[in-house]
Order: sequence, then C-alpha cells, then structure tokens
Amino acid sequence: GAVVSQHPSWVICKSGTSVKIECRSLDFQATTMFWYRQFPKQSLMLMATSNEGSKATYEQGVEKDKFLINHASLTLSTLTVTSAHPEDSSFYICSASSPVAGANEQFFGPGTRLTVL
Amino acid sequence: AQSVTQLGSHVSVSEGALVLLRCNYSSSVPPYLFWYVQYPNQGLQLLLKYTTGATLVKGINGFEAEFKKSETSFHLTKPSAHMSDAAEYFCAVISGNTPLVFGKGTRLSVIA
Repeated sequence: GAVVSQHPSWVICKSGTSVKIECRSLDFQATTMFWYRQFPKQSLMLMATSNEGSKATYEQGVEKDKFLINHASLTLSTLTVTSAHPEDSSFYICSASSPVAGANEQFFGPGTRLTVL
Repeated sequence: AQSVTQLGSHVSVSEGALVLLRCNYSSSVPPYLFWYVQYPNQGLQLLLKYTTGATLVKGINGFEAEFKKSETSFHLTKPSAHMSDAAEYFCAVISGNTPLVFGKGTRLSVIA
C-alpha cells in the first residue's frame, strides 16, 4: 500500500516553455504533499509543502511564481515550472503523507527528470 | 531546528563485508528517524524507521539501525554487503510538525 506515482517520468522541453508534473497518491488520500528537487549527487531539497484545498507553503528561496503548485484533490498535486530555463533542469520528487497511511511518514514518488534545452 | 549529519559521502565495502553508514541528528524534541535508499534515476524507498519503542529497528533487505539517544545517532548496518546494495542512502529526521529533513546522503559502493 501507500503508492505514489509521478507523471511524466522524464521530460525535455525548450527554454521558455512551461512544464507540468503530476503527483498522485494511488491507494490513499494524501492530506499533505511535498515537492523536492534534487541536483546530481546531492540531497533532496524541499521546495514546498501543500495541503489539499489551500495554498502551498514555499521554502525560503523558492520562487512561488515560477514553481506553481496546485493540490486540488486528496490524491493529486501538480507542480508547474513556468518559463523553464536550463538552470531548472533537475530531478523533481514528490511525496505524500496522511495520518491514516502512516503518522509522520512520507511516501515518495519515483521522480521526474526535467531537462530544459 | 533539526538537522542530520551523515559522515562520509562515499563508503566502499567488499561484497560480504559489514556495511556501516553513519547518521547523527540534532533535534530539540523526540525525533522520528528514517533511512531511505535511492537507486539511480529513481525515487526514495524506505528502508526502516524509528518512531517509538524498541531502539533496534529492522528493515528491508537485511538492514537494521539502532537509535541511540545519548549519542544522537541512528547508524545503519548490514552484516553482509551484496552487490545489489550499491546505491545512495539518506538519513532523515522529522520532529513535531516540521518537514522531513534529509542528510546529504552516502553513496555505497560494493566491490566484488
């Protein structure tokens, strides 16, 4: 149980375009979802925390107008990278949590590799 | 605020040898501690976690970790390394209502 999926698993786009990444909890309702980015050979950096039906809370230094997060339902959160540039190329990972699925535990998606040309 | 320190960004062991990955944490309240494994271009898989109760925690793939409050440590061990254990390992801590905080990771190499 507690499976999280991400789509797409990889995407290549041109500079200046926008890219949307979906994160879904498949077998539980996620009250909270998290978005991380990971640069090569580095740890995960939390970008934002979102609760269903409310605005996301962004970490310091993360541009909320560039990284749009929507958590419209208890099973779906989306991250849209607007006007993407090569420096946005990274591995984006989402996770989801729920008091029912496991207190204080986050379940991670498989990640999305974004390459901006 | 809590933090996690993983000693050694890269650990190399021979196949069949003991694996020891070190993790020290800092937290002002009782923490929940986690070890995750990440294979190339994949997400994170939970190896094991400590919440409350028994301080020696057994996880998947033969891994275990011991929570030592006096040493603020949560080191990960496996008696005998296998080639398939080669991956990146992350220690993480959560306490109270704060988000999960990750260590910088330790890359484990297993030599045949």
